[in-house]
Amino acid sequence: AQSVAQPEDQVNVAEGNPLTVKCTYSVSGNPYLFWYVQYPNRGLQFLLKYITGDNLVKGSYGFEAEFNKSQTSFHLKKPSALVSDSALYFCAVRESDSWGKFQFGAGTQVVVTP
Amino acid sequence: NAGVTQTPKFRILKIGQSMTLQCTQDMNHNYMYWYRQDPGMGLKLIYYSVGAGITDKGEVPNGYNVSRSTTEDFPLRLELAAPSQTSVYFCASSYHPGLADYNEQFFGPGTRLTVL
Repeated sequence: AQSVAQPEDQVNVAEGNPLTVKCTYSVSGNPYLFWYVQYPNRGLQFLLKYITGDNLVKGSYGFEAEFNKSQTSFHLKKPSALVSDSALYFCAVRESDSWGKFQFGAGTQVVVTP
Repeated sequence: NAGVTQTPKFRILKIGQSMTLQCTQDMNHNYMYWYRQDPGMGLKLIYYSVGAGITDKGEVPNGYNVSRSTTEDFPLRLELAAPSQTSVYFCASSYHPGLADYNEQFFGPGTRLTVL
């Protein structure tokens, strides 16, 4: 069975500092990995994905993520955090035996302080 | 494009009542999904559909039913509401998830449901 873990409930960072949100996964076969962001009282918005190709994936709003197959990780990063990056971030993996089934992590709350 | 729309935004039900959560998308996506979001639990897939007339169970389907008569609409039916169904419900849609591009999900704004 597929699974995804976000080990940190909350990440606190000062504005201008690097931001990292961790995600590890377990899946049979090749993983399809995604990051989504949720602002208060809103639906989730797509940030970036890894399907195949370069291990470093660039996405929206200056975010990037690095796929590491040996460590089964897909950490989200941003070189310089903004207060407006404060939100709930979800990592997701597609189940390899079903196109329509996705596993989402529990989410990581990011708090960026001025 | 309106994207994915959901109605209602809020609803309070009594135990044993029934209701339908509506979801519509105007992006001609063939895949549609229903998730529930509980605090600290992430999103759990309830049902999904790969096209009109085809639906399949997700991780937590008990107590729910779905239908997909058109490409645009994917309503979620709650029969005999229970307090355990208190949650925020999100509908989403996408093109075929197997595509290399354009396979991300687009989410609606959610329906906050309370069962008392």
